[in-house]
Amino acid sequence: QKEVEQNSGPLSVPEGAIASLNCTYSDRGSQSFFWYRQYSGKSPELIMSIYSNGDKEDGRFTAQLNKASQYVSLLIRDSQPSDSATYLCAADTGANSKLTFGKGITLSVRP
Amino acid sequence: ETGVTQTPRHLVMGMTNKKSLKCEQHLGHNAMYWYKQSAKKPLELMFVYNFKEQTENNSVPSRFSPECPNSSHLFLHLHTLQPEDSALYLCASSQSRANSPLHFGNGTRLTVT
Repeated sequence: QKEVEQNSGPLSVPEGAIASLNCTYSDRGSQSFFWYRQYSGKSPELIMSIYSNGDKEDGRFTAQLNKASQYVSLLIRDSQPSDSATYLCAADTGANSKLTFGKGITLSVRP
Repeated sequence: ETGVTQTPRHLVMGMTNKKSLKCEQHLGHNAMYWYKQSAKKPLELMFVYNFKEQTENNSVPSRFSPECPNSSHLFLHLHTLQPEDSALYLCASSQSRANSPLHFGNGTRLTVT
């Protein structure tokens, strides 16, 4: 069973802090990794994708990938209350862009 | 209209009813998906269509019947559902190639009574 694991959370950080969200995956063949943000009652929204080892930065978001450790993370700098949401990690686990998702972790940013 | 559109947004149905969920994508993608999202569970892939052909059926019960008449439209026909089928049903689309992210619709919140 190919799995994507995320800490169950919830995670609470003060406004302005760095939020660190972690994810591990079981399929060594996975090549593509995605972070989605899902607000309560809404659908998942893509915020970051990463395909190579190392860091990828986009504004306040940094995705990190370590294929040797099968580990993906998302850092959110200068966290804002509007970042409060559930964050889903996903990895491709087959052909045709089939993605396997983690359960998600709920982030709460305290004003 | 842009993106992935799903209708209806909310649906309440009895166990003997037949209903259909509709999805339309305006992104020029050639792969479409149905996912089920239940509380405290990961998103579950149900069906995948590439260029209108079903390429994945993730052991979904036959009371769920997908239909993909073309690359832009996807349906999920529902009949004799169970209360445990109550969930958020999400449609998504992507390009049919590696590294392509999914783009989700707003989902249909289904309640089976």
